[in-house]
Amino acid sequence: AQRVTQPEKLLSVFKGAPVELKCNYSYSGSPELFWYVQYSRQRLQLLLRHISRESIKGFTADLNKGETSFHLKKPFAQEEDSAMYYCALSAAGNTPLVFGKGTRLSVIA
Amino acid sequence: GAVVSQHPSRVICKSGTSVKIECRSLDFQATTMFWYRQFPKQSLMLMATSNEGSKATYEQGVEKDKFLINHASLTLSTLTVTSAHPEDSSFYICSASGTLAGAPNEQFFGPGTRLTVL
Repeated sequence: AQRVTQPEKLLSVFKGAPVELKCNYSYSGSPELFWYVQYSRQRLQLLLRHISRESIKGFTADLNKGETSFHLKKPFAQEEDSAMYYCALSAAGNTPLVFGKGTRLSVIA
Repeated sequence: GAVVSQHPSRVICKSGTSVKIECRSLDFQATTMFWYRQFPKQSLMLMATSNEGSKATYEQGVEKDKFLINHASLTLSTLTVTSAHPEDSSFYICSASGTLAGAPNEQFFGPGTRLTVL
């Protein structure tokens, strides 16, 4: 069964501190992994996907198949990073997303 | 980027009535639309997947007779909650994916519709 686990409901960090949002997944095949972000009063939007291997807004995420993890990292948190972050998984192609429960990131000035 | 709209953004109805929620892709053709439900402080749960011109595929535990999904065109899908009850109160979110250059199979999300059943 497909499953995405985000162990932290809330993560608070000081501005300028490093951030790591954890995500572990369970899937028998080769999944596509995503991070979505939802800022206050805005819709869900794609932050990054593992196949792109790019950095968006300073965030990066590396797929570790051995540990079945896709942790989201940023070396220096900014106040505008405060938001709800969801890790998601899908089988390759145009298939539904399975979401984790989300982690609320709060960056304190 | 691609834009997905939902209408209405908020609806309050009486128990026993039906409510229709529209999901539109404004600037691209959505071959597939997904409907999610989100309870307060919880994650998104997939309800169903609909491909244009075909019957929707419902997730286990989702009543297809209660949540009617229609995807009659490449830019519009509707979710009708029939005979709504208070336990159907929730935040309903749609997403759409299509053949966008540079974003194949990427899902673009609507802003959501908050349904309150009295």
